[in-house]
Amino acid sequence: GAGVSQSPSNKVTEKGKDVELRCDPISGHTALYWYRQSLGQGLEFLIYFQGNSAPDKSGLPSDRFSAERTGGSVSTLTIQRTQQEDSAVYLCASSPNNRLHYEQYFGPGTRLTVT
Amino acid sequence: AQSVTQLGSHVSVSEGALVLLRCNYSSSVPPYLFWYVQYPNQGLQLLLKYTTGATLVKGINGFEAEFKKSETSFHLTKPSAHMSDAAEYFCAVTKDSSYKLIFGSGTRLLVRP
Repeated sequence: GAGVSQSPSNKVTEKGKDVELRCDPISGHTALYWYRQSLGQGLEFLIYFQGNSAPDKSGLPSDRFSAERTGGSVSTLTIQRTQQEDSAVYLCASSPNNRLHYEQYFGPGTRLTVT
Repeated sequence: AQSVTQLGSHVSVSEGALVLLRCNYSSSVPPYLFWYVQYPNQGLQLLLKYTTGATLVKGINGFEAEFKKSETSFHLTKPSAHMSDAAEYFCAVTKDSSYKLIFGSGTRLLVRP
């Protein structure tokens, strides 16, 4: 079946602009995660959604970052007033809510460049 | 808190040689351990995982890893490297009461012809 998809694949934006990154998880997966991959920080957890529970936002680096998940499926990560340090690859992953919960399936990522 | 250390940011082997990528973890509780591979401009693909049971875990593409609690290690091996194995490899950990993946810094594997 279809894997995790993300759009856009590449995004170039000017400093100070807002951006929205989209993630379509695997159908039926109830858990959704966002990670950030950057040269300086490696792979970092950002936020986690599980079903209808309140999301775990503990990894978001600042209040300029927010995310939502509509209808338990598609998720959007929004970065307001982008800064150059936000340049990174943003990875989305999803996971089924069963004993394989810890097996996360990753999308191809969105490469964000802030100029 | 959990953490993961991957020794060697770059490893170079000849085609056909043994691949050994090292991963050590620290965790106050028995961890779940993973190896992911990332090919250029792609997302992460799960190679193998250890949760419970047999400590020698076999994954895709001929890779395997052994969980050694006494050494807090989960090294990744492959008997014979192939050119297509060239990629970046990430070790990751999550514990039973958590779900976030905590990644090591990654090891880039280069395979020489």
